[in-house]
Formats: sequence, structure tokens, C-alpha cells
Amino acid sequence: DARVTQTPRHKVTEMGQEVTMRCQPILGHNTVFWYRQTMMQGLELLAYFRNRAPLDDSGMPKDRFSAEMPDATLATLKIQPSEPRDSAVYFCASGLVDRDDGYTFGSGTRLTVV
Amino acid sequence: QKEVEQNSGPLSVPEGAIASLNCTYSDRGSQSFFWYRQYSGKSPELIMFIYSNGDKEDGRFTAQLNKASQYVSLLIRDSQPSDSATYLCAVNKPMFDNYGQNFVFGPGTRLSVLP
Repeated sequence: DARVTQTPRHKVTEMGQEVTMRCQPILGHNTVFWYRQTMMQGLELLAYFRNRAPLDDSGMPKDRFSAEMPDATLATLKIQPSEPRDSAVYFCASGLVDRDDGYTFGSGTRLTVV
Repeated sequence: QKEVEQNSGPLSVPEGAIASLNCTYSDRGSQSFFWYRQYSGKSPELIMFIYSNGDKEDGRFTAQLNKASQYVSLLIRDSQPSDSATYLCAVNKPMFDNYGQNFVFGPGTRLSVLP
């Protein structure tokens, strides 16, 4: 059963520290999204990759967040420096851009910045 | 006006009843509409998608779309306690390069099915 794998599942870090979250999309998928979910804001799009190229990161705070896809099997989301307001669940989702049947979400990384 | 709106709930229905979940969207250019289910502490999972006006049925689930009214709904027949979750409506938004999709999610509706 193909699935999107995210690591770590949980992360607690101190304010100011660097945080890196990783995502392994489903093999063969050419589209990867990063979402952030909070109680107040719901699901917010942070970044979007197609064929490893970053196409839209307008939802991401540029000063501290960065997203990359060094190869087809790995997407990363980095926060440096982290702040308490970054505490949220970060989801990665992957799919095929030429199929209009939705995207598969990973299990998420629950980040707590203290 | 938010791009995708849903009643936050909770919506409570007795076991065996029909649960009706509603969603409205603001972008008339939207083409594809999706319902995701999210259990507490879990990730969203896709349960239905619909593109054309009318109804689409899949087991106990029926999605209804009315593009003129910018309205999409999800009906769950014979509701079970295991259906208790948050239901997220997602609407496609053309990507800046007009290729591929981006989903704008609504805030979700919490459904509680009472045994």
C-alpha cells in the first residue's frame, strides 16, 4: 500500500533552533505539497513542487522557512530560526499532476517550539 | 469572504441517520471539488471527488455539486459512530502556471455520530 512517509513524527525544540522535516513522496508521484495545520488557521499551503521544481511558495514565511526537493524521493522543509508560533502539524502530500483525483497526505510532523 | 467556507459544527446525528455536510466556495473558476475525512490526530484522507454538476455516489457517500450556486455537499447515509471525524472540503485553484492543481481547504466540519 503506497504511502507518503514523513519524519520525524514529533519534534520538540527550543525557540531559535533549526528544524528540518522530511517527506518521501509516493514513488512515481510528480507533485509534492507542504501544508501546515493549526486549530486557528486550518490547513495552509506552504509550498508546492512539480517534478522537483519549486513552483509556488507564496504561503511560506520567506525569512525563516525554506523548502527543497533534492531528489525525487525526498522533500524537505526547514525552519531557521524556529519560533513558538511555528508550532503546528506539518503535512506533506503527493500526487500526479495529470490526474485530477486528489493527493495523498503523509502522517504529519507535529512540531512544538518552546 | 473566505475562499472555502464550512460550518465548523459540531454536527451531531444519531446512528443510522443521514449526515449532511455543506461547503461553499468563492472562486467561480474552480473546477474540482474534494471531500477529505480527518480523524483526530491523523492526516486527511480523500473520500470523494466531483467535477460535474449533480450527484456522485460511492457506497454510503454522495457528493453533490451545484456550480451555479457555488455549493458542494456530502451526504453520509446510515451514519456510523466510526464516521465521527472532521470533514474537510477542498476546492481546486488554478496554479500560477495553469497546470496542475492546488487545493484550498475549508476549515472543516466536525461530525459526531451518536450511538
